[in-house]
Amino acid sequence: EIVLTQSPGTLSLSPGERATLSCRASQSVSSSYLAWYQQKPGQAPRLLIYGASNRATGIPDRFSGSGSGTDFTLTISRLEPEDFAVYYCQQYSSSVVTFGPGTKVDIK
Amino acid sequence: EVQLLESGGDLVQPGESLRLSCAASGFTFSSSAMNWVRQAPGKGLEWVSAIGTNTLYADSVKGRFTISRDDSMNTLYLQMSSLRAEDTAVYFCARFLTNRFDYWGQGTLVTVSS
Repeated sequence: EIVLTQSPGTLSLSPGERATLSCRASQSVSSSYLAWYQQKPGQAPRLLIYGASNRATGIPDRFSGSGSGTDFTLTISRLEPEDFAVYYCQQYSSSVVTFGPGTKVDIK
Repeated sequence: EVQLLESGGDLVQPGESLRLSCAASGFTFSSSAMNWVRQAPGKGLEWVSAIGTNTLYADSVKGRFTISRDDSMNTLYLQMSSLRAEDTAVYFCARFLTNRFDYWGQGTLVTVSS
């Protein structure tokens, strides 16, 4: 089973700043099978990025994804007030889905 | 508009059983791979089970949980037996499209406690 590690655990930033979130895999992951989600308290996760770098429908272009192999990054270019949330990466390999533990982006 | 509506969550005692349902609308349910993902209180997301051309289970629930679907009713089910305290979580149903979960329900809370 591929284990995903996310860093940092918490990222404290101000609106307008740039957020860089990391997701590392214990084994190489096909870029096609790496996704990112946003979750706010009391809500279901929301798909942001799939295939490592493709924005889901309706996702603003301030969200971008990159990476390959074992290292992937989610970047939020300029944080808006509604972006403060928890972000999870997810991979799919050999019919098994795993999620990272999440990165909380909170207001500094 | 796509909707996934879970139901069936409850407070149960350890060892008891429970069945969750997820009513789907707004997309072609019968041709969609459907999953259950859970989230323990204050914790991260954990994939539980999937049903598409076959059925798959996380090791933590294998042998205790059974996923099924009724395509005539556009409904997904999760039959949970021999429940443990560590099964306490919000259970989400979600559609899996090729490589990502694109639609999610709002979740239903299962609490296992004596």
